[in-house]
Parts: sequence; structure tokens; C-alpha cells
Amino acid sequence: GAVVSQHPSWVICKSGTSVKIECRSLDFQATTMFWYRQFPKQSLMLMATSNEGSKATYEQGVEKDKFLINHASLTLSTLTVTSAHPEDSSFYICSASGGEVLAFFGQGTRLTVV
Amino acid sequence: GQNIDQPTEMTATEGAIVQINCTYQTSGFNGLFWYQQHAGEAPTFLSYNVLDGLEEKGRFSSFLSRSKGYSYLLLKELQMKDSASYLCAVRDRDYKLSFGAGTTVTVRA
Repeated sequence: GAVVSQHPSWVICKSGTSVKIECRSLDFQATTMFWYRQFPKQSLMLMATSNEGSKATYEQGVEKDKFLINHASLTLSTLTVTSAHPEDSSFYICSASGGEVLAFFGQGTRLTVV
Repeated sequence: GQNIDQPTEMTATEGAIVQINCTYQTSGFNGLFWYQQHAGEAPTFLSYNVLDGLEEKGRFSSFLSRSKGYSYLLLKELQMKDSASYLCAVRDRDYKLSFGAGTTVTVRA
């Protein structure tokens, strides 16, 4: 299957700092990338949809100024958690889709804000 | 939007068969996915159905009935490593995936 690489796998940061998470499609061009968040023992919740070269579309209740998404190329999307707080600690996962390529997920990023 | 239901948990014995049902209500159906997720890891793709019928892939099979808004994932010859959460997800015409809450399967020796 298609390969989606997400980096970093885990990160610990201090409250008030910003964290950038990268999502790359390695062997296909991802016209659309999705960012999800998963809290312990809960399912994945879609945060935003990112299309290459355009602004991301955020789901209701997700602050666009706090979760900055950039999809500058067909193989890279980034999610920046700005001014992170402990309640932002979660498992963040990206997925990529392109044409006939089905939705595959990155490895996920475990964010802990202390 | 999507409304996706699946059982919370199931337990089965090693070597047995387990069927995980998923029902959904959606506006703009564009495929149904099953993923396996082990604790602390990202979901891994298991199967994809967009037309009615059964898709078989080794020990795993998935069935879809679009008219009934129903799918199931069948796990055969259960192994201990199959203990995981199984997620049913429905894709809409914007390629957005909506997930069910997941079914935790526990395989016992």
C-alpha cells in the first residue's frame, strides 16, 4: 500500500510553546490530507481537511488559529500546534488521499504538553 | 454527516471466527473502510468496500450492503495478535472519513 510518513513520532513540549508535525506521502501525490486527533480510548476525530495550495477546511469546534495547517506541496502537509497547553496533549494522526489512492495513515504523533 | 455504530467490545477464543458489525447513516456515501488499531499506534488499513458484496483478503473479509447501510468485518482463525481495536469508517464525496467508536476485540487462548 501507499506510504505516509509522519514525523515526529512523539514530542514533549512546554506549555506555551509551538510544535510542528509533518506528514509526507512518499510514493504518491496527495491532493488531500486530513488531520485527526485521538484522545485515549476514543475514536479518531477529524480536525481539518487540507488541499494542496489552498486554505485548510476546519471542522466545527477546531480553532484554526491554534492549529495551523500548511499544504504547500503535493507530498507535504504540516500541522503546527501553537501556544500548546496540557489539554492539547493527544495523539495526532494524518492521512493522505490522492486520486485512486485509498486513505492511508501516518504513524501518528504523541504530543505531551507539560 | 455520518452516524456510525459498532459494538464496543467482543471477546473470542484463539482459532475462532468473529464478526464485527457496523451500521451507518450517511449523506453522500463514497466507500467504507475497516482499520485495525493497536494501542498507541496509528490505524492500519484492512479493507475497502464501495460496491455491495464480500471482499476477501486472507483471514479477513468485509461485506457491504449499501441499501441497508450495513457492513461487517469477519476475522477468521483468530490469533492472539488480532487483539486490537477495529474501526469502521465511512467516506463521503469530499473524501472525508468519519469513524465509528471502534470495537475492541480480545482474543483469549
